[in-house]
Amino acid sequence: AQSVSQHNHHVILSEAASLELGCNYSYGGTVNLFWYVQYPGQHLQLLLKYFSGDPLVKGIKGFEAEFIKSKFSFNLRKPSVQWSDTAEYFCAVTLNAGNNRKLIWGLGTSLAVNP
Amino acid sequence: EPEVTQTPSHQVTQMGQEVILRCVPISNHLYFYWYRQILGQKVEFLVSFYNNEISEKSEIFDDQFSVERPDGSNFTLKIRSTKLEDSAMYFCASSPGRVVPETQYFGPGTRLLVL
Repeated sequence: AQSVSQHNHHVILSEAASLELGCNYSYGGTVNLFWYVQYPGQHLQLLLKYFSGDPLVKGIKGFEAEFIKSKFSFNLRKPSVQWSDTAEYFCAVTLNAGNNRKLIWGLGTSLAVNP
Repeated sequence: EPEVTQTPSHQVTQMGQEVILRCVPISNHLYFYWYRQILGQKVEFLVSFYNNEISEKSEIFDDQFSVERPDGSNFTLKIRSTKLEDSAMYFCASSPGRVVPETQYFGPGTRLLVL
């Protein structure tokens, strides 16, 4: 069955450190890729997405992600984190097949940034 | 900016009771979704809804579950006879419904506890 793996479940960083959160999926066909973020007490919101085109995508708040098809990966990066980036980060995919809209989720990564 | 809203934010119920979780999708969106996250587990797709009928449902979405759009604004998830294992955070989402793929916008969730 198709699945999404996030390698880091809990990450603790100091402000200004660089961030990379791993995401891999298992599916042989074409996928659409998403990173969602949930700040404490808030709802899930889209950070960035990749559907096609340039595999390096930029999102809100200085985040970017790179789709590497050969590695089935869509890792999230930020060069310098801030305390306000403390949140839960979720990688998710939809399968590019017909009208498929079901999001398949990773377990999430809890990021704590110390001031 | 329009948001998806959900009520109640928390619900406690006794096993065997019926619960109705309510969602107000973004007003011009046509596709609606329910997902759930059991504590410590991945977010799981339950059902998608379009044009007043279920578009897709997961294996989880058995006869105990039903969805309805009772009026022009609300979208509800009913669990007929709750079980302990239904305890989870339930997320509603909506999307414009005009293209595939597209972004889904999430509500803040309803935390359901079945005792």
